Amino acid sequence: GAVVSQHPSRVICKSGTSVKIECRSLDFQATTMFWYRQFPKQSLMLMATSNEGSKATYEQGVEKDKFLINHASLTLSTLTVTSAHPEDSSFYICSATPGLAGSDTQYFGPGTRLTVL
Amino acid sequence: GENVEQHPSTLSVQEGDSAVIKCTYSDSASNYFPWYKQELGKGPQLIIDIRSNVGEKKDQRIAVTLNKTAKHFSLHITETQPEDSAVYFCAAGLTGGGNKLTFGTGTQLKVEL
Repeated sequence: GAVVSQHPSRVICKSGTSVKIECRSLDFQATTMFWYRQFPKQSLMLMATSNEGSKATYEQGVEKDKFLINHASLTLSTLTVTSAHPEDSSFYICSATPGLAGSDTQYFGPGTRLTVL
Repeated sequence: GENVEQHPSTLSVQEGDSAVIKCTYSDSASNYFPWYKQELGKGPQLIIDIRSNVGEKKDQRIAVTLNKTAKHFSLHITETQPEDSAVYFCAAGLTGGGNKLTFGTGTQLKVEL
């Protein structure tokens, strides 16, 4: 149980285009989802916390107008990278926590490799 | 905010030996400490976690210890196998599903035959 999927797994786009990444909790309802980015050989950096039905909370230094997050249902959150540029190339990973009392565990998706040309 | 330091950054052991990875955290309010294993090109997988109401937890070859006073926690892997080779991340945060985690910098573990 507790499976999180991401789509697409890999995307290559031209500079200036927008890219949408989906994160789904397949077998549980996720009241909270998190979005991270990870550069090669580095740790996970939290970008934003997303709660179903409300606006995402962004970490300091993350542009909310560039990284649009929507958490419209208890099983789906999307991250849209708007007007992508080569410096946005990274590994984007989402995680989700079940909406159960006392459940702390973040279950991670498999990640999305974004390459901006 | 929370700051998590992790050592060593790389660790090479012989198959069958034990591996130990250590982390320290700065925020005394943190009470939830998970460990994740990440294989190349994949998302992190939870391998074990501990809450501050216990000092040690074990699951087969994996154990985690927590010293709240010193604000450090460690991952112990015994009888290492080649498939244990991966990057391991520690993290610290608060219990409660909506609370964010702060991750350590990662340890590249290599288990050699």
